[in-house]
Amino acid sequence: EVQLLESGGGLVQPGGSLRLSCAASGFTFSTYAMSWVRQAPGKGLEWVSISYSGGSSAYYSDSVKGRFTISRDYSKNTVFLHMNSLRPGDTALYYCAKSHRRSYSFDFWGQGALVTVSS
Amino acid sequence: QSVLTQPPSVSAAPGQNVTISCSGSSSNIGNNFVSWYQQLPRTAPKFLIYDNNKRPSGIPDRFSGSKSGTSATLGITGLQTGDEADYYCGTWDNSLTVVVFGGGTKLTVL
Repeated sequence: EVQLLESGGGLVQPGGSLRLSCAASGFTFSTYAMSWVRQAPGKGLEWVSISYSGGSSAYYSDSVKGRFTISRDYSKNTVFLHMNSLRPGDTALYYCAKSHRRSYSFDFWGQGALVTVSS
Repeated sequence: QSVLTQPPSVSAAPGQNVTISCSGSSSNIGNNFVSWYQQLPRTAPKFLIYDNNKRPSGIPDRFSGSKSGTSATLGITGLQTGDEADYYCGTWDNSLTVVVFGGGTKLTVL
């Protein structure tokens, strides 16, 4: 059974940093791309970043480029989202998502980690 | 403003059929496969349709997908109250090099 368990969310001041983790199990982690998708309160889904299998390439949305970094620890089957220079507009529930056969199609999602950026 | 355009809401009575549209461009839907997701209240999104019209294991055949040109459509037949949810389309955008989602459509089963 595929499981994705996010952690690391919380309350942070504007300009602060936070690291989200997503522990994956139930599939061959090294084979699939992994993404972060966020959802602001009462809003729709917004894709944030993707890490391709092998870890050689990653892409980011314009809204987080230069501030967020995605990384993977293959020994721990974990994907991370390092978030710097956080803004109130980054407040959202952050989902970890596993790619299906196509990297931009997501077949499993975690339960989400809430990030609140406020002073 | 989402790259993919969906109607904000649709509604129908139990037992009826409904369609949800997703409009894009040649840089996204026109040249990539479309997926659909169902998000029940206060839950994570669920994989509903992939590669335009394929259903993952466990998704009933009441749900269907299609694509024509730069638009895609999700169809739901025999509506049930449990189908009340937000529905999102998604794909890759070749020009922006990002994953794009529609703004979401809230389905109300009256």
